[in-house]
Amino acid sequence: DGGITQSPKYLFRKEGQNVTLSCEQNLNHDAMYWYRQDPGQGLRLIYYSQIVNDFQKGDIAEGYSVSREKKESFPLTVTSAQKNPTAFYLCASTGQGEADTQYFGPGTRLTVL
Amino acid sequence: QKEVEQNSGPLSVPEGAIASLNCTYSDRGSQSFFWYRQYSGKSPELIMSIYSNGDKEDGRFTAQLNKASQYVSLLIRDSQPSDSATYLCAARPTGGGNKLTFGTGTQLKVEL
Repeated sequence: DGGITQSPKYLFRKEGQNVTLSCEQNLNHDAMYWYRQDPGQGLRLIYYSQIVNDFQKGDIAEGYSVSREKKESFPLTVTSAQKNPTAFYLCASTGQGEADTQYFGPGTRLTVL
Repeated sequence: QKEVEQNSGPLSVPEGAIASLNCTYSDRGSQSFFWYRQYSGKSPELIMSIYSNGDKEDGRFTAQLNKASQYVSLLIRDSQPSDSATYLCAARPTGGGNKLTFGTGTQLKVEL
């Protein structure tokens, strides 16, 4: 099955800890994105990557870091510098020939204890 | 700030009725528009994309785009309880590559 996977589904973190959220896709998509969603709010872009070994900050990159060493993988690290990290994190990707249509993974719900 | 605006709702419609969801956008140069459906606790799933003025139909769903008025709408015919969800409107602003700007979503409730 082709698709986007995110793990874990639920993640609990103590204050001051860094955590890494996984995003993998086997769709051969070039571009990948990380969003954050808070209750009653839309999706806010954290980071995005158009090609391997390159990524750009989105609207709310502070306190987050990413890497794009492989086309299939785009992990997101939530660092201790992120003051309010409890949220629903969504990974998305876009393929060539599909213009700008983004497809989403199932999401990771992060809770800071 | 390039924005996409939606009424948060909830919008309540009876089963079998037409649900009309609206969205406005501020960037006049936006070319691509998307409707996503998001069930509670789940990730968004694409319903439709629309790029040209006018209507685009797919089953019970019709997307409408009016670039002059800068609005996009989604009509759901013969609404079913399973259509109850939050509907997100998204637009690709000019100069943003393939990034999308999302609205906050409209909650739709289809009542029996």
